[in-house]
Amino acid sequence: SQQGEEDPQALSIQEGENATMNCSYKTSINNLQWYRQNSGRGLVHLILIRSNEREKHSGRLRVTLDTSKKSSSLLITASRAADTASYFCATAFSSNDYKLSFGAGTTVTVRA
Amino acid sequence: EAGVAQSPRYKIIEKRQSVAFWCNPISGHATLYWYQQILGQGPKLLIQFQNNGVVDDSQLPKDRFSAERLKGVDSTLKIQPAKLEDSAVYLCASSLVGQPGEKLFFGSGTQLSVL
Repeated sequence: SQQGEEDPQALSIQEGENATMNCSYKTSINNLQWYRQNSGRGLVHLILIRSNEREKHSGRLRVTLDTSKKSSSLLITASRAADTASYFCATAFSSNDYKLSFGAGTTVTVRA
Repeated sequence: EAGVAQSPRYKIIEKRQSVAFWCNPISGHATLYWYQQILGQGPKLLIQFQNNGVVDDSQLPKDRFSAERLKGVDSTLKIQPAKLEDSAVYLCASSLVGQPGEKLFFGSGTQLSVL
């Protein structure tokens, strides 16, 4: 499939620690987005990184993109209990008319 | 700014029954999407509307699913008859202009259980 695949599937960390998750994809992209989904809720957009960008920051979030390796990473620094959620990468492929395709997500649990 | 509104939040039906979900996108958003999210998976696009018209319904099971967007605002997704494998969360999303790779705004979803 063309959509991004997140790794790991699940992550459990202590409050205050950093959380890192990765997204790999197979074909050229226009942009890559990260979304968060709290239990029983819809997805919330976190950050968008374009194919010509290498790194973006938003608050405690840092996203990197390596187009040569076809991968992206999302780093959450100084995690809080409220960061407990599933995180999805969504990729816009030229071969799919740039429609967003979502991966299966990484489930992050932050322990108090 | 009001978000994307969806109803109902939960629905339980028996197989072969019909069900309908409603979505009201963010005011002014031209593009509306319906996604199906099966437990443990990411959202899968079912249908995309640009104003009144359908842009993409390639993954919509048209023998049982139908959707419409009245006057380019609200939208309804219907399943008739429902199957067990339709149990999922149905998410509605909207975006401003429908530009490729644009940021999406999601509603809280309708959780459907088919027994």
